[in-house]
Amino acid sequence: DTEVTQTPKHLVMGMTNKKSLKCEQHMGHRAMYWYKQKAKKPPELMFVYSYEKLSINESVPSRFSPECPNSSLLNLHLHALQPEDSALYLCASSNPGLAGPGELFFGEGSRLTVL
Amino acid sequence: AQKITQTQPGMFVQEKEAVTLDCTYDTSDQSYGLFWYKQPSSGEMIFLIYQGSYDEQNATEGRYSLNFQKARKSANLVISASQLGDSAMYFCAMSNTGTASKLTFGTGTRLQVTL
Repeated sequence: DTEVTQTPKHLVMGMTNKKSLKCEQHMGHRAMYWYKQKAKKPPELMFVYSYEKLSINESVPSRFSPECPNSSLLNLHLHALQPEDSALYLCASSNPGLAGPGELFFGEGSRLTVL
Repeated sequence: AQKITQTQPGMFVQEKEAVTLDCTYDTSDQSYGLFWYKQPSSGEMIFLIYQGSYDEQNATEGRYSLNFQKARKSANLVISASQLGDSAMYFCAMSNTGTASKLTFGTGTRLQVTL
């Protein structure tokens, strides 16, 4: 069983809806990540939170809004999405060090479909 | 900028045989990390093995070993004694240094283990 839990596993939403993806880890990791993965493509980094502060935003459109309420939780708020935003959204966590992010532990992902 | 290249879109291997998945990288950093992840059809990204750029010995984890050739900038994954459960997508990834660093993925290789 993965130690990073993502909910919901599947989400279908209309373009005018507001929804949220949630991610939780209890490994004491201090960095958390959102990745987007389209079918048959590698994951693409969206956001990185390090010590609960947003440290990397990969020029993601404002219709995606991340939030890190505490060191264990990471949310991705979705609003006015487009059909091309349909993808698998992966959350990950790690214990970063000077040598880099460390091993990333991934959740099973939230599969989003935008109608 | 960092770049990861996986030139094998798909590979077949017979059960119990060994297989090598290729990965080359490009970076101007002196310190970096190289990772391999496995992604089954369920979607979860499973960490397999890590190699730091200053590690002199090749990393090994059970049936997985990483053939690290720094001068050639390659980090091939070797899976020994393949099992049917090894059938999945395999991603090579690279991190830069720093506490808020990124993990960049290659395009992946789909491995199919046959009887």
